[in-house]
Amino acid sequence: GAGVSQTPSNKVTEKGKYVELRCDPISGHTALYWYRQSLGQGPEFLIYFQGTGAADDSGLPNDRFFAVRPEGSVSTLKIQRTERGDSAVYLCASEPGPASGGELFFGEGSRLTVL
Amino acid sequence: AQSVAQPEDQVNVAEGNPLTVKCTYSVSGNPYLFWYVQYPNRGLQFLLKYITGDNLVKGSYGFEAEFNKSQTSFHLKKPSALVSDSALYFCAVRDGNTGFQKLVFGTGTRLLVSP
Repeated sequence: GAGVSQTPSNKVTEKGKYVELRCDPISGHTALYWYRQSLGQGPEFLIYFQGTGAADDSGLPNDRFFAVRPEGSVSTLKIQRTERGDSAVYLCASEPGPASGGELFFGEGSRLTVL
Repeated sequence: AQSVAQPEDQVNVAEGNPLTVKCTYSVSGNPYLFWYVQYPNRGLQFLLKYITGDNLVKGSYGFEAEFNKSQTSFHLKKPSALVSDSALYFCAVRDGNTGFQKLVFGTGTRLLVSP
């Protein structure tokens, strides 16, 4: 499809385990964003990439969270030593380019449940 | 730093009546303002944006929003609500003085349109 694809759609893991969430953006989109949405809350910014580099990672809550985008397309959000408080829907979005004016295209999210 | 306030957790309106969903913002630079909608089990969808120009902007599904600089507001409106408009609505702001920048979202307002 032509939209932003996120896998897995659902992930259940145990406390302390390692998790990877993948985002496949729209082809040609330069910027990629990760957000986290807890129940009843708005999306909370985590990190965004321009190309391969993380332009702003100020939203990552701690050093257990890390994200990469090695070839400027697909991105992976990595969470080490998961905690119950990490349970949320992790949203990925891509943006065409600087002239787009901020219209982000969101995927349907990866729901993470940490037991 | 930028921020958004959505003072209403829920807005109830009867079908056919006009609706308003409120949003106020704070940003140090030029405000780029957005409305996104989230239907159950779906990703966030872009509705409309204000970058510059006419204070009244029109978007998808008959929605519009009015930018008011003096009141730092960007309220979402629709002249005649439909039951199918029932969803979660998020206001977002970006500092427009630079290129790619994170969107900061509000906590969301649930719109419930009754038949």
